[in-house]
Amino acid sequence: KAGVTQTPRYLIKTRGQQVTLSCSPISGHRSVSWYQQTPGQGLQFLFEYFSETQRNKGNFPGRFSGRQFSNSRSEMNVSTLELGDSALYLCASSPASRTSVTQYFGPGTRLLVL
Amino acid sequence: TQLLEQSPQFLSIQEGENLTVYCNSSSVFSSLQWYRQEPGEGPVLLVTVVTGGEVKKLKRLTFQFGDARKDSSLHITAAQPGDTGLYLCAGDNDYKLSFGAGTTVTVRA
Repeated sequence: KAGVTQTPRYLIKTRGQQVTLSCSPISGHRSVSWYQQTPGQGLQFLFEYFSETQRNKGNFPGRFSGRQFSNSRSEMNVSTLELGDSALYLCASSPASRTSVTQYFGPGTRLLVL
Repeated sequence: TQLLEQSPQFLSIQEGENLTVYCNSSSVFSSLQWYRQEPGEGPVLLVTVVTGGEVKKLKRLTFQFGDARKDSSLHITAAQPGDTGLYLCAGDNDYKLSFGAGTTVTVRA
């Protein structure tokens, strides 16, 4: 099975711009989660989508949004970029069984905001 | 404030030595996972533990989930340079993972 893929892998933007990141989950996985990873804060949960609905949301401002399509692919959007948004953005997919959540991560998108 | 506290933050050992990484919380989790992450890459799942008191062994790695499902440990026997990386524990609560800050392990040849 192919793993989780994320595009693009690297991105450079300037303050005030917006950005869209894409994630294709493992085939058959219906849950997609997004995380922000920075050296100072570690891995922080952004949101989780299941069957095109946002099921969970972390403590991030409304500039961070996402969506999931009927084929489970997901996109994440950040508007009005700030310098502090520079981070590795990770997507993870999960079969989301009832007994436990096992998440499989993609390689991430490295975003640099100048 | 991290929901999961990992210790130590950094660990540097010689090849062949043993090491243990701890993951503690005041919260109860449905399951707990351990990941290893290399620079510039996403975390790779090592193990998921579900039952309190559970012990899982994967070759030289031994994972333990506390009886109360609040803490866990990862023990590596006879560490090798390939074990170098950032080790992360993550607790699952209602399909949302909360991560520890991680333990950076360096195994010197």
